[in-house]
Amino acid sequence: EVQLLESGGGLVQRGGSLRLSCAASGFTFSNYAMSWVRQAPGKGLEWVSAITAGGLYTYYAESMKGRFTISRDNSKNTLFLQMNSLRAEDTAVYYCAKDVDGSQFDYWGQGTLVTVSS
Amino acid sequence: QLVLTQSPSASASLGASVKLTCTLSSGHSNYAIAWHQQQPEKGPRYLMKLNSDGSHSKGDGISDRFSGSSSGAERYLTISSLQSEDEADYYCQTWGTGIQVFGGGTRLTVL
Repeated sequence: EVQLLESGGGLVQRGGSLRLSCAASGFTFSNYAMSWVRQAPGKGLEWVSAITAGGLYTYYAESMKGRFTISRDNSKNTLFLQMNSLRAEDTAVYYCAKDVDGSQFDYWGQGTLVTVSS
Repeated sequence: QLVLTQSPSASASLGASVKLTCTLSSGHSNYAIAWHQQQPEKGPRYLMKLNSDGSHSKGDGISDRFSGSSSGAERYLTISSLQSEDEADYYCQTWGTGIQVFGGGTRLTVL
């Protein structure tokens, strides 16, 4: 059974940093691209960032470029999102998602809440 | 620019069928999409990938009550024999090189 378990969310001040983790199990993690997707309170889904299976290539939504860094440790089946210079508008539930080779997401985590206080 | 458009809301009666629409932006009518369901207070759940020719492949354990179809730039999700647990937000998703895009979502109310 595929499982994705996010952690690391919490309350942080504006301008602060936070590192999210996503522990994966139930599939060969190193064979799949992964993404982070967020959802602000009462809003829709917004793609944040993606990383290829081997970690060689990374992609970001425009508003996250330069502030967020996606990475992965295939030896530990874990995906990360380093978030710096956080803004109030970054407040959201952050989900990790298993990516079918750069196309659809076929599994999602339960999410971790990030709250940026102003 | 790759954009997906969804109606904000839809409603249908218990036991009836409903067809939700996701429209691809101009120049992208041959793109495949995916449908995801998000029940209240839960994470999203993958329903299916839907190709431009209407062929689709469903996620693990997805009921036969969910089906997809396509016409031009429109992608549809049909839910038959509506049940109370189908009341949820439904999102379409598409992708390009180095980018993922979501529609704004449709909130389905089961009456």
